[in-house]
Amino acid sequence: DAGITQSPRHKVTETGTPVTLRCHQTENHRYMYWYRQDPGHGLRLIHYSYGVKDTDKGEVSDGYSVSRSKTEDFLLTLESATSSQTSVYFCAISEDSPGYTFGSGTRLTVV
Amino acid sequence: QKEVEQNSGPLSVPEGAIASLNCTYSDRGSQSFFWYRQYSGKSPELIMFIYSNGDKEDGRFTAQLNKASQYVSLLIRDSQPSDSATYLCAASSGGGADGLTFGKGTHLIIQP
Repeated sequence: DAGITQSPRHKVTETGTPVTLRCHQTENHRYMYWYRQDPGHGLRLIHYSYGVKDTDKGEVSDGYSVSRSKTEDFLLTLESATSSQTSVYFCAISEDSPGYTFGSGTRLTVV
Repeated sequence: QKEVEQNSGPLSVPEGAIASLNCTYSDRGSQSFFWYRQYSGKSPELIMFIYSNGDKEDGRFTAQLNKASQYVSLLIRDSQPSDSATYLCAASSGGGADGLTFGKGTHLIIQP
């Protein structure tokens, strides 16, 4: 099984504060992704990375930034959190086998 | 814009029967298709993938692909209560570098 961990698992933050979510993998995979999942919308791609310092925007990237300074870590930052960013955030990696493997998710609440 | 459509359900199926889950996709360039199972409060788990037209079987699961109709389905034979979950259909247009496009999922309930 791919080693992929997300932190924190749960977070409550106030509107306007910056928030960083971390995705860590242990198996040196090139591709990493951040998704958000909301009722009625399903999983939507925020940003993805295809290598160190190589990132690109997904479908719902507004209000989010990412960084990947090391192969194993992919960080998602909400520069100024809003209530509309309350969601469950999943990190995923693309391994040699088809499909993606997802982390356990981070439940973020912005109050 | 790439879209994957699924009936949200809930789809209720008696235990032991065949559950049939369907999805359609808008991007004719899509090449790979995936079915994920997601239990409430958990992360999605890959259960099937299919690239070629026709059927692909794995245990109690059969994935079906019809590229001409832009249609993908998942059949679950001998449904068990443990199959109760949300099933997500996803499509990829390439090697996966630009991410998968997911449907909103179908909530399946297996009635004992």
